[in-house]
Amino acid sequence: EAGVAQSPRYKIIEKRQSVAFWCNPISGHATLYWYQQILGQGPKLLIQFQNNGVVDDSQLPKDRFSAERLKGVDSTLKIQPAKLEDSAVYLCASSGRADPSWNEQFFGPGTRLTVL
Amino acid sequence: GQQVMQIPQYQHVQEGEDFTTYCNSSTTLSNIQWYKQRPGGHPVFLIQLVKSGEVKKQKRLTFQFGEAKKNSSLHITATQTTDVGTYFCAGLEESGYSTLTFGKGTMLLVSP
Repeated sequence: EAGVAQSPRYKIIEKRQSVAFWCNPISGHATLYWYQQILGQGPKLLIQFQNNGVVDDSQLPKDRFSAERLKGVDSTLKIQPAKLEDSAVYLCASSGRADPSWNEQFFGPGTRLTVL
Repeated sequence: GQQVMQIPQYQHVQEGEDFTTYCNSSTTLSNIQWYKQRPGGHPVFLIQLVKSGEVKKQKRLTFQFGEAKKNSSLHITATQTTDVGTYFCAGLEESGYSTLTFGKGTMLLVSP
C-alpha cells in the first residue's frame, strides 16, 4: 500500500513570507495529524483531524498557522507569516483507527522548512 | 500538561554491546508506543504496550511497560549498525481523550 505523501520535501523562505505544505494520507485513513519536529526534539502535535473535523488543535499557533482537510482526505498546513523559529521538519501522519487508545501512526517523509 | 522524558539523550556503543533507553511520563498512561527514526528519515512505529507490567520482544528488542504505567524501557541486545537512529517513546494519557505526547528521543550511534 502507498504511504503518506507530502510535498514539498524542502522549502526555504524568508521571514514574514507565507508557506503551505500538502499531505495525502494512506487511503482510507480517517485520522490525520500534523507535527512539528525541531532539530533534536520529538514530534510535537500541531493539529489532529478526524475525517474533515478538527479533534485537537490546542498546540497550533493560530495567529499564524492554519490547517484544513477538505473532503476528509488531503490536508494543507499554512504558515503566514513565517518566523525564524518556525524552521523545522513538518511531519504528516495518518492512522486508520478512530479509537485513540490504538492509534499506530504512519508518518510521511516530512517537509524541511528553513526560514531565513 | 503531560510530559514525557527520555534518558539518555544520546548513547554511542560498539557493535555487539547492549543498549537501553528509558521513558518516564508525568501522568499515568493508557498505552505507550515506541518509534524509530533513522537519520534523515521519519518516525516508524515499532510497538505499542497497553498492559501494566507488559513485556514484548521483537527479535533483539525488548520493550517493557512499568507496573504503574508511567514508565517504559527499550532494550536492544547485541546492537548492530542497522540499529542506528533515534528512538522515541510516545505516551497516551489515561484520563479522558488525549493525543500522543512524544519524548525527545534517545539517539543511538553504533560503531562497527
